[in-house]
Amino acid sequence: DAKTTQPNSMESNEEEPVHLPCNHSTISGTDYIHWYRQLPSQGPEYVIHGLTSNVNNRMASLAIAEDRKSSTLILHRATLRDAAVYYCILIYGANNLFFGTGTRLTVIP
Amino acid sequence: KAGVTQTPRYLIKTRGQQVTLSCSPISGHRSVSWYQQTPGQGLQFLFEYFSETQRNKGNFPGRFSGRQFSNSRSEMNVSTLELGDSALYLCASSLAGRRASGYEQYFGPGTRLTVT
Repeated sequence: DAKTTQPNSMESNEEEPVHLPCNHSTISGTDYIHWYRQLPSQGPEYVIHGLTSNVNNRMASLAIAEDRKSSTLILHRATLRDAAVYYCILIYGANNLFFGTGTRLTVIP
Repeated sequence: KAGVTQTPRYLIKTRGQQVTLSCSPISGHRSVSWYQQTPGQGLQFLFEYFSETQRNKGNFPGRFSGRQFSNSRSEMNVSTLELGDSALYLCASSLAGRRASGYEQYFGPGTRLTVT
């Protein structure tokens, strides 16, 4: 499975935008980029996914580099509830997720 | 719509015993996956069941097994428990079969297993 690399931790001030990067230099042409997050004491939850084009939903935006070797999850206005571990995962044709270490996001009030 | 439920939420067992954990997926979901989460290894995929058949398996010893029933409910079993099996066991369900983009996974709250 193609690997992803994320910073171990990031901080953001409340109500500021947050850009969470993910590198996936060995991504194949058919891999989809998925993001999940895990809030404290909860199971992971789906955030967003995309293939080539940038994607938006009610939770976040996903910006994908033109060469697809990296992507960025954008939280437009961080809230305290967004404090979580964020995982970037590559998926093609399967439902099993291979989680890396993720990025622990701390939101400062 | 009710979410994924897992029972029990907490469990304490002794080394050498066996344990069975249960997962009820979201209504209409036919795929159920199991994950183990530990501080040292993070989140690791155990196996996936779809239509009562194991479809994918992670890199875990044969002591870890599972099954899925016709109503899509799933159980996982760990035999001959070891201290290292202490973990949070998470179950996730998703809508259906396979598609290129994968399906959104919905996770339950997990079962916290402590082996003493």
